[in-house]
Amino acid sequence: DAGITQSPRHKVTETGTPVTLRCHQTENHRYMYWYRQDPGHGLRLIHYSYGVKDTDKGEVSDGYSVSRSKTEDFLLTLESATSSQTSVYFCAINAEGGQPQHFGDGTRLSIL
Amino acid sequence: GENVEQHPSTLSVQEGDSAVIKCTYSDSASNYFPWYKQELGKGPQLIIDIRSNVGEKKDQRIAVTLNKTAKHFSLHITETQPEDSAVYFCAASKGGKLIFGQGTELSVKP
Repeated sequence: DAGITQSPRHKVTETGTPVTLRCHQTENHRYMYWYRQDPGHGLRLIHYSYGVKDTDKGEVSDGYSVSRSKTEDFLLTLESATSSQTSVYFCAINAEGGQPQHFGDGTRLSIL
Repeated sequence: GENVEQHPSTLSVQEGDSAVIKCTYSDSASNYFPWYKQELGKGPQLIIDIRSNVGEKKDQRIAVTLNKTAKHFSLHITETQPEDSAVYFCAASKGGKLIFGQGTELSVKP
């Protein structure tokens, strides 16, 4: 398995609270991605990073922010969580943009 | 932007039979097409991929075909086994960002 660790693996929180999910990699890969997975939608890209402090938006970025201060860590933040952000969140990495992406095991987030 | 449609959403086969999952994409500039297998409680795992300069690729019991003219690609699994039961996702990529299909839940009955 690719060296990707997501934390926490499960979280339950209330509407309006801030939430931060962490993705940690040991592969020294340049690219990191955050996806959300919802029934009937497959996986949808939220944000991605192509280097330290270099990030860009994906197709469903509203309500989310990201930060990457070190190569190995990519953080996803929900500033004020809403029930529509209840989902399973996956982190992925690859060495270059056109190379296969490898996924972590996900964080199940429930917002009540 | 790119849109990927995947069919069927569910597929049930008998052990030993073949399974075929089909995807269509909208952006003719897409040039990379991976397939992922996802087991319960796990992240998607890459099982095979194909680039736009190749029409077919095979890896043991798994094969992928690509028709660029029609903008569709398919996953073929032969001699299915119960451990092939999972959700399968196709994706299309241009410039590194993946757009996924909706997924196919494959059930292989012993």
